Amino acid sequence: AQSVTQLDSHVSVSEGTPVLLRCNYSSSYSPSLFWYVQHPNKGLQLLLKYTSAATLVKGINGFEAEFKKSETSFHLTKPSAHMSDAAEYFCVVSVFEGGSQGNLIFGKGTKLSVKP
Amino acid sequence: DVKVTQSSRYLVKRTGEKVFLECVQDMDHENMFWYRQDPGLGLRLIYFSYDVKMKEKGDIPEGYSVSREKKERFSLILESASTNQTSMYLCASSPGQGWNQPQHFGDGTRLSIL
Repeated sequence: AQSVTQLDSHVSVSEGTPVLLRCNYSSSYSPSLFWYVQHPNKGLQLLLKYTSAATLVKGINGFEAEFKKSETSFHLTKPSAHMSDAAEYFCVVSVFEGGSQGNLIFGKGTKLSVKP
Repeated sequence: DVKVTQSSRYLVKRTGEKVFLECVQDMDHENMFWYRQDPGLGLRLIYFSYDVKMKEKGDIPEGYSVSREKKERFSLILESASTNQTSMYLCASSPGQGWNQPQHFGDGTRLSIL
């Protein structure tokens, strides 16, 4: 069965320091993986996606993620945190339902706090 | 850019009322989805639709129904609202080509049932 686990429910960093948000997945198929960000009282915005091309994926706002099949991981990183990065982040795996249909399985989310 | 618009940002209704949440997307996407989001539980799929007049149950369909009469519009209906349906509701859409397409989300409707 497919699943996704975000290893930290809350991460706190200082502005200007690196960000690491950890995600492990389980999938019977070669997975498609996504990271979304949600700012308070807003919907989810797609940060980046992995769909079996390059294993290092660059997204918006300076974020990137590396797909590591041997470790079944898809961790999200950013070299230098900004105050505006404070939000909740969701790791998501796409589940094959048959034919051309699929659904998404969401991790429980990681709240990122950025201290001045 | 894909635009998914939910008709209300905040809504307050009473127990027993019939509640309609509307969602419209402007990118001709085949697939549309309704989720609810609760603290500690993450996002849970209520219903989805792969085509006009088609609907599929998600993980928590009880107490809800949906309607998709036009491709761009997907409505979520609470037949008789209850307090445990107080939540943030998120609508999403995705293109029909391929099973691994990302979904595009609206800004959500925060629904309170009193």
